[in-house]
Amino acid sequence: DAGVTQSPTHLIKTRGQQVTLRCSPISGHKSVSWYQQVLGQGPQFIFQYYEKEERGRGNFPDRFSARQFPNYSSELNVNALLLGDSALYLCASTDRVTGANVLTFGAGSRLTVL
Amino acid sequence: KQEVTQIPAALSVPEGENLVLNCSFTDSAIYNLQWFRQDPGKGLTSLLLIQSSQREQTSGRLNASLDKSSGRSTLYIAASQPGDSATYLCAVDNNRDDKIIFGKGTRLHILP
Repeated sequence: DAGVTQSPTHLIKTRGQQVTLRCSPISGHKSVSWYQQVLGQGPQFIFQYYEKEERGRGNFPDRFSARQFPNYSSELNVNALLLGDSALYLCASTDRVTGANVLTFGAGSRLTVL
Repeated sequence: KQEVTQIPAALSVPEGENLVLNCSFTDSAIYNLQWFRQDPGKGLTSLLLIQSSQREQTSGRLNASLDKSSGRSTLYIAASQPGDSATYLCAVDNNRDDKIIFGKGTRLHILP
């Protein structure tokens, strides 16, 4: 069974551009969350989606948005990119059924903003 | 506001030694605590999850303990190996949702 898959793995953008990152959760998982990890720091929560609805939002500006599709995959969009948006963006999924709430993370999308 | 702190930030030990990584959190009303491993440039791998009602969890050479009252968790690694070199992250779930709070991690280097 495939794990959490993210695309693209690496990308380079310039300031002011827009980026879309994609995530496919583990089959059967209906909850997807997004995290930003800046070099040398722990991941920080950006969004959580469950059953296609936003269930949580971290302390990020409105330039960050996300959505979840009927197949439970998700996209994270970042507009008007800043140098400080350079980071590893991680997607995690969980089934939220067993109660253990073990998050399974993807390998991440590394965004570099020049 | 939950804050998670990991000490030390970096650690180098010779192969074969037993070692302890520390994690502390400010809000003891947690749902669970997880330890993750992260290899350079890679995603996170969950190592151990301790529910709030548990005191410890074990997997192979790894043992994680939880003391909610003192706001502390430790990850014990027995008989360390060079392959254990990675960053170890502690994360706390306060609300049984997917918004977990991470520490900054401990970078571990096992010397052959």
